[in-house]
Amino acid sequence: GAVVSQHPSWVICKSGTSVKIECRSLDFQATTMFWYRQFPKQSLMLMATSNEGSKATYEQGVEKDKFLINHASLTLSTLTVTSAHPEDSSFYICSARKLATSASSGANVLTFGAGSRLTVL
Amino acid sequence: KNEVEQSPQNLTAQEGEFITINCSYSVGISALHWLQQHPGGGIVSLFMLSSGKKKHGRLIATINIQEKHSSLHITASHPRDSAVYICAVLPFFGNEKLTFGTGTRLTIIP
Repeated sequence: GAVVSQHPSWVICKSGTSVKIECRSLDFQATTMFWYRQFPKQSLMLMATSNEGSKATYEQGVEKDKFLINHASLTLSTLTVTSAHPEDSSFYICSARKLATSASSGANVLTFGAGSRLTVL
Repeated sequence: KNEVEQSPQNLTAQEGEFITINCSYSVGISALHWLQQHPGGGIVSLFMLSSGKKKHGRLIATINIQEKHSSLHITASHPRDSAVYICAVLPFFGNEKLTFGTGTRLTIIP
């Protein structure tokens, strides 16, 4: 089955530093990857949609200069939290949508990563 | 009013009980997902539905497109089923963006 690996699973950093989170589709090519943020006991909030080879589309209220997204290949997207501050502490999750190779290949199947917990001190 | 409403918000049951979690939505959709999130945070996609019913092991998901309602059932519940279950819909118009429910926290007591 489709597997998405997210790394690191948790990270603690000092305020002002930048943190990069990777999202990899291990056994399929992903046309689109999505980045979500989740605060404790709240639902997932879509931050941005990332398409391979093009600029990410950010949701309203999400600072694109703060949360840099790069989707350099069909199997890798990265989220960089720049100049992190304590209010950026959150759980970040990616999901990947499989590239369709035929009409019956389930292109709409979304696979989620295990998430990355960021704590900014 | 949220576009996706789940009920109940919290559910505690004894091992072995039959569990039902409900999801209602207000927009036209092309698909509905049921997701499971364990305490560590990782999310597993359980089902993707656009009509009818799907079954996987002890899990059953149904959807009624006309009534804009879906249910997730767990038969013979087990403590390892304890997790947050999230309903997410893919609206017809939304550039493939999921809209999430707030989740149902399920606790199964041995």
